[in-house]
Amino acid sequence: NAGVTQTPKFQVLKTGQSMTLQCAQDMNHEYMSWYRQDPGMGLRLIHYSVGAGITDQGEVPNGYNVSRSTTEDFPLRLLSAAPSQTSVYFCASSYSIFGSRAEQYFGPGTRLTVT
Amino acid sequence: QQQVKQSPQSLIVQKGGISIINCAYENTAFDYFPWYQQFPGKGPALLIAIRPDVSEKKEGRFTISFNKSAKQFSLHIMDSQPGDSATYFCAASGPDSSYKLIFGSGTRLLVRP
Repeated sequence: NAGVTQTPKFQVLKTGQSMTLQCAQDMNHEYMSWYRQDPGMGLRLIHYSVGAGITDQGEVPNGYNVSRSTTEDFPLRLLSAAPSQTSVYFCASSYSIFGSRAEQYFGPGTRLTVT
Repeated sequence: QQQVKQSPQSLIVQKGGISIINCAYENTAFDYFPWYQQFPGKGPALLIAIRPDVSEKKEGRFTISFNKSAKQFSLHIMDSQPGDSATYFCAASGPDSSYKLIFGSGTRLLVRP
């Protein structure tokens, strides 16, 4: 298994540009989440999905869209990039909400800079 | 509003010593408390997790202590090794919401040889 994969690893955008951060998992996990990591702030939840076709907002959803058309893929779209969206973005997935299978597996991250 | 507060921000420990990182939470509905370890340039990886029905959980050199009445939990790393040098995050989530983690701000641990 490749686990959770994210592309690209690095990206530089100009203010106002749009882009999609890709996330895929091959573990047949129902639950997927997007977090952003900023210095001194830990990770904050952007959007999450509890299954194909079902998404919802997390703590900091403004400026981002998601969709989940398949179990495997959970792309994150930046609609009009702003410097405040400069961050490291992590995608995570988990099999269940119970016991040890509630463990979230994180991808390697995408480092995004908006100028 | 920071629902999970983590301290210290950074920690330096000698090899063989005990590293202790503390977290406090506000929401009494939280029922899942994982600790994640993150190395530079990598994604966080689950280290150990606890549910509030137990007061302590141990896995190898890593122990979580949980105090439900004080709304606090801590990570103890026994016999700390230079390879443990990383950033550690505590987190919490509500009932049936382990995919919606609320993270602490992180502790950067350096273990000196």
